[in-house]
Amino acid sequence: DSGVTQTPKHLITATGQRVTLRCSPRSGDLSVYWYQQSLDQGLQFLIQYYNGEERAKGNILERFSAQQFPDLHSELNLSSLELGDSALYFCASSVGVGAGRYNEQFFGPGTRLTVL
Amino acid sequence: TQLLEQSPQFLSIQEGENLTVYCNSSSVFSSLQWYRQEPGEGPVLLVTVVTGGEVKKLKRLTFQFGDARKDSSLHITAAQTGDTGLYLCAGDARGDAGGTSYGKLTFGQGTILTVHP
Repeated sequence: DSGVTQTPKHLITATGQRVTLRCSPRSGDLSVYWYQQSLDQGLQFLIQYYNGEERAKGNILERFSAQQFPDLHSELNLSSLELGDSALYFCASSVGVGAGRYNEQFFGPGTRLTVL
Repeated sequence: TQLLEQSPQFLSIQEGENLTVYCNSSSVFSSLQWYRQEPGEGPVLLVTVVTGGEVKKLKRLTFQFGDARKDSSLHITAAQTGDTGLYLCAGDARGDAGGTSYGKLTFGQGTILTVHP
């Protein structure tokens, strides 16, 4: 158990819909990262938040957005869903600050999104 | 754009054999991590290497970071069926490893290892 929790575990929805994925980081971690994993694309970085602020952006579509709340949990919002958005979505967290600390990320169990 | 190339993409071996997975890039990384992922679960951090030439051992797994910090390898001795899974390398390209730990990791495409009994 990494200490990172994600809900829901599975999500099945239709094209055009909007969903929200939730992540709670490990206790004490200030950084949250979102990744998308599909069979043909591997693990793709989407976005990073640090202590409530966006810090880095990857290949995140404009239809997707995220935020990190004062209690440090994060939500990833996916809208106008398409069939191609079906994938595993992972959240990871890291300590995020401090000299000598490396970017070791701890992953949650993921949310499997199926768009029909 | 930093890219990490892993090879081989697939590896199918018998229990007891040795194997090596490679992770190569043209970019320098301040640190490099190896993860193992089982189907339907999140990647699990195995090790972080930070110094050029560093070698770390984790039971039957040996991890090496290249002298120039552009490449890494994972060697498994006497593989067991429990080693089966997806192995991912990930590099942190921040120039200042002693600074604040922001930023994304660049992941390789992964090596799917299957160990047969």
